[in-house]
Amino acid sequence: SQQGEEDPQALSIQEGENATMNCSYKTSINNLQWYRQNSGRGLVHLILIRSNEREKHSGRLRVTLDTSKKSSSLLITASRAADTASYFCATDGGSGAGSYQLTFGKGTKLSVIP
Amino acid sequence: SAVISQKPSRDICQRGTSLTIQCQVDSQVTMMFWYRQQPGQSLTLIATANQGSEATYESGFVIDKFPISRPNLTFSTLTVSNMSPEDSSIYLCSVEIRGRNRETQYFGPGTRLLVL
Repeated sequence: SQQGEEDPQALSIQEGENATMNCSYKTSINNLQWYRQNSGRGLVHLILIRSNEREKHSGRLRVTLDTSKKSSSLLITASRAADTASYFCATDGGSGAGSYQLTFGKGTKLSVIP
Repeated sequence: SAVISQKPSRDICQRGTSLTIQCQVDSQVTMMFWYRQQPGQSLTLIATANQGSEATYESGFVIDKFPISRPNLTFSTLTVSNMSPEDSSIYLCSVEIRGRNRETQYFGPGTRLLVL
């Protein structure tokens, strides 16, 4: 079944503002990952957070994970026009033989206006 | 990380024909995956391709429609057979690289397919 439902579906902000995207999932996971996809291009891996971690930083990115609420958030600080893209969260299948398979949400389309 | 290339990058095909998409990785990997992204939609896993065994297909995808080859640890192909306009999508391959973030998957640039 589909996991990793992001919200909002679309987000438009001014350059320099922060952008926050949320992701919810339904079943247990080993880790959660965030990807970026520029229009019509392949996915770029941004950050992975394990189920026993609560927060992770990478440059201007901050990811949080709340396993009790089965939710994660991606914060992009001081946004730039180049951050304009779709952002997807992806969860693995938790324990079991198929746990390496990722399930993606529908994504959040972020537009950063110069 | 890994450098992944796909060929072709895009194609326009006629209904009823077939297209084979190639995925090449610059390192040996055990697990490769094929995804489809229909217009405006998220990614959907088509199948898992491990070298030396038959590909494992997800619900809704069958081998006759999407035959996959995995002849070695750096290469895989996905064929979209007997195409219809509904097959117009971006097709992406991905690999799992084991390292510090061992469950991380890396994606190819995708193949944009338009079926007329």
